[in-house]
Amino acid sequence: SAVISQKPSRDICQRGTSLTIQCQVDSQVTMMFWYRQQPGQSLTLIATANQGSEATYESGFVIDKFPISRPNLTFSTLTVSNMSPEDSSIYLCSVVGGNTGELFFGEGSRLTVL
Amino acid sequence: AQSVTQLDSQVPVFEEAPVELRCNYSSSVSVYLFWYVQYPNQGLQLLLKYLSGSTLVESINGFEAEFNKSQTSFHLRKPSVHISDTAEYFCAVSGSNDYKLSFGAGTTVTVRA
Repeated sequence: SAVISQKPSRDICQRGTSLTIQCQVDSQVTMMFWYRQQPGQSLTLIATANQGSEATYESGFVIDKFPISRPNLTFSTLTVSNMSPEDSSIYLCSVVGGNTGELFFGEGSRLTVL
Repeated sequence: AQSVTQLDSQVPVFEEAPVELRCNYSSSVSVYLFWYVQYPNQGLQLLLKYLSGSTLVESINGFEAEFNKSQTSFHLRKPSVHISDTAEYFCAVSGSNDYKLSFGAGTTVTVRA
C-alpha cells in the first residue's frame, strides 16, 4: 500500500488567484495521477504525472490552467491557476501501488473559490 | 478508452436488508475493475477489485462483486447492510496497461434503521 498526504486539506480562495496543492507519498512511485471531484459529481482524471517527463493532460484540461510538477518519485504539485468559482472542487492525488493496478488516493484538497 | 455506467444514483435501504449496486462498463481492451467507497466527509477507499482469476471477489466487510464479461458488468452486493454502510460508492475501470481510472457517476447508499 501507499500512504499519501495532501496539503492543504482545504482552502478558500479569491477569484483570479492561484493555489498550489502538494502531494507527498511515503514510497517511491512511478505513476501519479491528479483527479478532480466537482460538488456532487464523480471523479475526473486531470492528468498523469510521471517523474522525468512532462505531465499528460486529459481532454478538457490544459497545462496553462493546471500546471503540474513532478520533481522526484515521492512528490508532486498541482497548481490551479487564475481560479474561478467553477474550479471549486476536491482535488485528489493518486498513485499506483506496486504492480496490482490498484490506485491509492490521498484525502483530497477541498478548494472553494469565491 | 473505457466508460462506466452506474445505473442507480440513489439507493435507500433498511438495515439488515440486502443491497445491489449495478455497474456496467464499456471497453475494447482487457480491464481491471474496482469499487471504491467514500464515507461522509472522508477520502476515497478501495472496497474491492477484479484484476484476473476468480470472477467473484469479496471485501473484508461483507461486500462482493462479480465480473461478468459477457454482460460487461461488475455489480456490487451485500446480503445484509449496516447503518455504517451509508456512503457513496463508485465503480471504476482501467485498462490493464495504463492504470488510468474512469469512474462511474456514483451511487449514494443510505441505510435506515
